[in-house]
Amino acid sequence: EPEVTQTPSHQVTQMGQEVILRCVPISNHLYFYWYRQILGQKVEFLVSFYNNEISEKSEIFDDQFSVERPDGSNFTLKIRSTKLEDSAMYFCASRSTGGPTEAFFGQGTRLTVV
Amino acid sequence: QQQVKQSPQSLIVQKGGISIINCAYENTAFDYFPWYQQFPGKGPALLIAIRPDVSEKKEGRFTISFNKSAKQFSLHIMDSQPGDSATYFCAATDPNTGNQFYFGTGTSLTVIP
Repeated sequence: EPEVTQTPSHQVTQMGQEVILRCVPISNHLYFYWYRQILGQKVEFLVSFYNNEISEKSEIFDDQFSVERPDGSNFTLKIRSTKLEDSAMYFCASRSTGGPTEAFFGQGTRLTVV
Repeated sequence: QQQVKQSPQSLIVQKGGISIINCAYENTAFDYFPWYQQFPGKGPALLIAIRPDVSEKKEGRFTISFNKSAKQFSLHIMDSQPGDSATYFCAATDPNTGNQFYFGTGTSLTVIP
């Protein structure tokens, strides 16, 4: 069964450092997303990406965040200068169409900023 | 602004009982209402979903009831099992905002043997 793969599973970084979270979406999917889940809280939308550009982003997704699809398979989330409050689980998701269909989520990357 | 409100925050049910989780929304543009199940350390996985032109959808022990006029939908888990113990999130998507998922706050379900 196809799945969304995220690496690393856990990343610890010092405040102010840059981190890159990586995702390999399902191969024939065209729409990609990053979501964030602070411990014990709901899953929050960060950004959606289609046709090599951002299609929607939330207020959380400020200038410290960027996304990229550097090749045909990877989809990355970069946080330029991490803050303590960036500590969360980050989920990548993909879907085959932009319409109201299932999104498949990866297993997440736990980011801990110390 | 909380687009989707979910209750209860936590739920304890005896094995074999019925688990009911409720969600309410305001945005009438929402056109897809999935329920996701999340186990600790895992990503959310789609459990069941419904479109607003249908009032009920059943898949095995899981049923979504949808009330368009009240702008509410609920998940019913029949014959709840200990393996159903997880966090459940309702969600909704709005085609006007790229069909991103607006998640509820989650319900932690514990099924006692």
